[in-house]
Amino acid sequence: GEDVEQSLFLSVREGDSSVINCTYTDSSSTYLYWYKQEPGAGLQLLTYIFSNMDMKQDQRLTVLLNKKDKHLSLRIADTQTGDSAIYFCAERRSQGNLIFGKGTKLSVKP
Amino acid sequence: DGGITQSPKYLFRKEGQNVTLSCEQNLNHDAMYWYRQDPGQGLRLIYYSQIVNDFQKGDIAEGYSVSREKKESFPLTVTSAQKNPTAFYLCASSIWNLSNQPQHFGDGTRLSIL
Repeated sequence: GEDVEQSLFLSVREGDSSVINCTYTDSSSTYLYWYKQEPGAGLQLLTYIFSNMDMKQDQRLTVLLNKKDKHLSLRIADTQTGDSAIYFCAERRSQGNLIFGKGTKLSVKP
Repeated sequence: DGGITQSPKYLFRKEGQNVTLSCEQNLNHDAMYWYRQDPGQGLRLIYYSQIVNDFQKGDIAEGYSVSREKKESFPLTVTSAQKNPTAFYLCASSIWNLSNQPQHFGDGTRLSIL
């Protein structure tokens, strides 16, 4: 299919790790991105990974890529209440356009 | 500060009226994009432009029009032909030729029907 799939909701306790999963569709996608959207705001780029990498770590964020299964995940360590937001996965197709998932709403309980 | 500025933040449209959403960037980016976001939905591409005086339809271009007379500016007009215009509109820009360059987003314009 054409869709990038994400689960819609995730709830974690403050201090725990959060793992947000995404499956994408085009094996020739060059880059995969994670964006964060806070209420009423635009999208903020969190991190991205090139399709020939397996993992990328950036402070509290770890991105894992399984190219065979077209599966991408974002792990947030030591999740804080300020991490509550909607997280979008996006794949960059070979033509250059981005295809977004519907977003995962992360709720962090104190 | 470099960035993307969308205005206004909130916009109201009367039935049968065209409205124009502004998007300006000072990042010297070649490409600019307009997306529509509906509640619980991902972003859907309306139009994009890789270069001045050129633009392409995205997945949901019907009822919308754009222009790209300057590199910095990519205004979106929501015409009366768009029957369900209530949504959050996001503008983005990127360097076109480098595939690793991500899209940077503005803060959005929320359009509602009176």
